[in-house]
Amino acid sequence: GQQVMQIPQYQHVQEGEDFTTYCNSSTTLSNIQWYKQRPGGHPVFLIQLVKSGEVKKQKRLTFQFGEAKKNSSLHITATQTTDVGTYFCAGVNDFNKFYFGSGTKLNVKP
Amino acid sequence: DGGITQSPKYLFRKEGQNVTLSCEQNLNHDAMYWYRQDPGQGLRLIYYSQIVNDFQKGDIAEGYSVSREKKESFPLTVTSAQKNPTAFYLCASRLGGKNTEAFFGQGTRLTVV
Repeated sequence: GQQVMQIPQYQHVQEGEDFTTYCNSSTTLSNIQWYKQRPGGHPVFLIQLVKSGEVKKQKRLTFQFGEAKKNSSLHITATQTTDVGTYFCAGVNDFNKFYFGSGTKLNVKP
Repeated sequence: DGGITQSPKYLFRKEGQNVTLSCEQNLNHDAMYWYRQDPGQGLRLIYYSQIVNDFQKGDIAEGYSVSREKKESFPLTVTSAQKNPTAFYLCASRLGGKNTEAFFGQGTRLTVV
């Protein structure tokens, strides 16, 4: 069946360091979405990428969608303590089935 | 206020009892989803529904049941057949088209003792 894998599972960084999480799908996706879940909270939508090779930025966050529409990455420049949380990618396939990746838990040391 | 509401926030049940978790949305969304999250883990899909009176099993449907009699409601029943029911349960809804985002409820933390 469809799988969306994310790496790494955990990442511990010093405040100011960069962070990247990678998402890989076993099949081609219609789009990829990214969500952030703060500790004790629920996932909140960050952004959606639809086009092959698309790159979008939100302040210190940069999102990329691979050319083959099977992988994606989220890069945070100069992390802050407010970036702490778990980042999930979610893929939508051609049958509109919605799959979440396994998530990357980010811890930022002040 | 428009949104998606899960209740209760915390739920305790004795082993062997069925329990139903509520999920209501007033966003007029067609698609609704139930996920299970274990500590430090990702979101695993239990059931989803793309339209009223229809639903499909996700990856871990065993021991769970759902209904979708109304567009705004998608209750999840955790049955006694679910071997490890203690977990954080999240309900989500989407408008339904491929390029639509998911909105999540606050979650229900179920503890079975």
